[in-house]
Amino acid sequence: EVQLVQSGAEVKEPGESLKISCKGSGYSFANHWVAWVRQMPGKGLEWMGIIHPGDSDTRYSPSFQGQVTISADKSISTAYVQWSSLKASDTAIYFCARHETGAEYWGQGTLVTVSS
Amino acid sequence: ETVMTQSPAALSMSPGERVTLSCRASQGVSRNLAWYQQKPGQAPRLLIYGASTRATGIPARFSGSGSETEFTLTINSLQSEDFVVYYCQQYNDWPWTFGQGTKVEVK
Repeated sequence: EVQLVQSGAEVKEPGESLKISCKGSGYSFANHWVAWVRQMPGKGLEWMGIIHPGDSDTRYSPSFQGQVTISADKSISTAYVQWSSLKASDTAIYFCARHETGAEYWGQGTLVTVSS
Repeated sequence: ETVMTQSPAALSMSPGERVTLSCRASQGVSRNLAWYQQKPGQAPRLLIYGASTRATGIPARFSGSGSETEFTLTINSLQSEDFVVYYCQQYNDWPWTFGQGTKVEVK
């Protein structure tokens, strides 16, 4: 069974750094693109970027380029997104998803709250 | 960047009715179009990919059509669990983009 399991909810202050994770199981993690999606409170879905764990080929949406870093460690079947300096506007639920022709498998989401 | 525009933003329907949701792309995306359903507090669920192919386990009452810039998602005989939000997404060109969503509400 394909599963993506994300790390737990985080509460941070503005300016802090953060790295959240997404662990895949039940399939060959290195061979499938993993995407990250943001959903701000009460809003729609936004693609942040995608990574191919096999060769770490990474692409960012223009809105997120320079704002986050997406990475993966294929040896432990885990993808990451990290922030070096969080802002209040980063408060959102972040989803990972395995994307082929559409994203069929999703993580459960990680709620990130940034507040002073 | 390809902009995806969904219409309407919301609509009120009754259980058992048929509903058609629209999605327009600002430039041609071939048939590289997916539809998702999102229930409150849950991750999105893939319904349709390739514009018209139902994903695994998706009921036959969901169907998709279209190509290039005009797409539709039809739900035949709305069930209670279908009154949620639907998104279209193009994966023809990076960055992939979602529409803003259509909320199907109970009349």
